[in-house]
Amino acid sequence: AQSVTQLDSQVPVFEEAPVELRCNYSSSVSVYLFWYVQYPNQGLQLLLKYLSGSTLVKGINGFEAEFNKSQTSFHLRKPSVHISDTAEYFCAVGRDDGGSEKLVFGKGTKLTVNP
Amino acid sequence: DTGVSQNPRHKITKRGQNVTFRCDPISEHNRLYWYRQTLGQGPEFLTYFQNEAQLEKSRLLSDRFSAERPKGSFSTLEIQRTEQGDSAMYLCASSLRGAGDYGYTFGSGTRLTVV
Repeated sequence: AQSVTQLDSQVPVFEEAPVELRCNYSSSVSVYLFWYVQYPNQGLQLLLKYLSGSTLVKGINGFEAEFNKSQTSFHLRKPSVHISDTAEYFCAVGRDDGGSEKLVFGKGTKLTVNP
Repeated sequence: DTGVSQNPRHKITKRGQNVTFRCDPISEHNRLYWYRQTLGQGPEFLTYFQNEAQLEKSRLLSDRFSAERPKGSFSTLEIQRTEQGDSAMYLCASSLRGAGDYGYTFGSGTRLTVV
């Protein structure tokens, strides 16, 4: 079975500061990984995904993430955040062996960007 | 492409009543997923359809829950004899290929409150 741990439940930062949201996963099979963002009372929007190939993936809104297989991590980064980045961010993992279509999500990290 | 549409957006019901939610996926997407999200948690997988066939079901989907996707288009999720523990956001998602190819596109969800 897969599991995801998002190490920080809340991350407050000031506008224009860099941010890193941490995600560690566990799996006995190869995986693909996602980061989703959720604004209040809305569904989830895909930020970026790692399927295979380059371990550094770039997504929308200036976010990027690095897949580290040895550390089983997929941390999300942004060099300079905006007020509009305030939202909840979810890391998710899926099986890459065709065994299941489901994604397993972490509990989320609330990012608050302060002026 | 109008996105994934979910109705209603909000539903308040009395304990013991039955409720039904509808999901209209992106028209060319043949895969459809239901997730449940409770307060402070990430989404949890409920079930998955490929066309009209229900191919995966979570153990979270008790016998009070039933999902259908007649004709492989829209889907309904019914909860019978609702309990207060059923209060959650119910999210629908769709994809053209497997989750590992493109990830999902989520709808805005139906928020259920059982009183």
